[in-house]
Amino acid sequence: DAGVTQSPTHLIKTRGQQVTLRCSPKSGHDTVSWYQQALGQGPQFIFQYYEEEERQRGNFPDRFSGHQFPNYSSELNVNALLLGDSALYLCASSSTSDEVEAFFGQGTRLTVV
Amino acid sequence: GEDVEQSLFLSVREGDSSVINCTYTDSSSTYLYWYKQEPGAGLQLLTYIFSNMDMKQDQRLTVLLNKKDKHLSLRIADTQTGDSAIYFCAEGSNDYKLSFGAGTTVTVRA
Repeated sequence: DAGVTQSPTHLIKTRGQQVTLRCSPKSGHDTVSWYQQALGQGPQFIFQYYEEEERQRGNFPDRFSGHQFPNYSSELNVNALLLGDSALYLCASSSTSDEVEAFFGQGTRLTVV
Repeated sequence: GEDVEQSLFLSVREGDSSVINCTYTDSSSTYLYWYKQEPGAGLQLLTYIFSNMDMKQDQRLTVLLNKKDKHLSLRIADTQTGDSAIYFCAEGSNDYKLSFGAGTTVTVRA
């Protein structure tokens, strides 16, 4: 079991550009959540996907969007990047049959210059 | 509210016990979690406790929950150098998302 995998591990983008981050959930998991962790802070919830739909959303602007595919993998898209979007983006997967435990990937470190 | 607060730093001697404290404000929290993050890595789930419990023990880890005071603690017995990391307290309820504290940096000194 590969656990939760995210790609790429590191990314550098320029202000105004768009970025897509990818996540494959742990085997057997059907729910994917995305979090943003700025330097020195705890993760902040962006949104969660289940059955290919956004089920819950945190306090993030519409520039942040996502998608879930039939195989439960997910993408996070950020448009019109700002310097303040520089952070570690974490994906967490869980199962609706056991929603207590959420397992995190290693994250994608996004730097906006 | 969903605020979760933790002390920022803890220094402990190798072999001693570590106690990390956390307070939360959301009275509807169903589960409370402790995650560990090592440098450059993602979050590792250490343990969790249901809000209707007051204690959970798992090997070297002991979680205590005071629901009345909304206070959660994590005790690590016989702290080792490999325990040096950032520890996050998080609360979750039936709306599926986790709310995290800012993390406690634990440094284990020889």
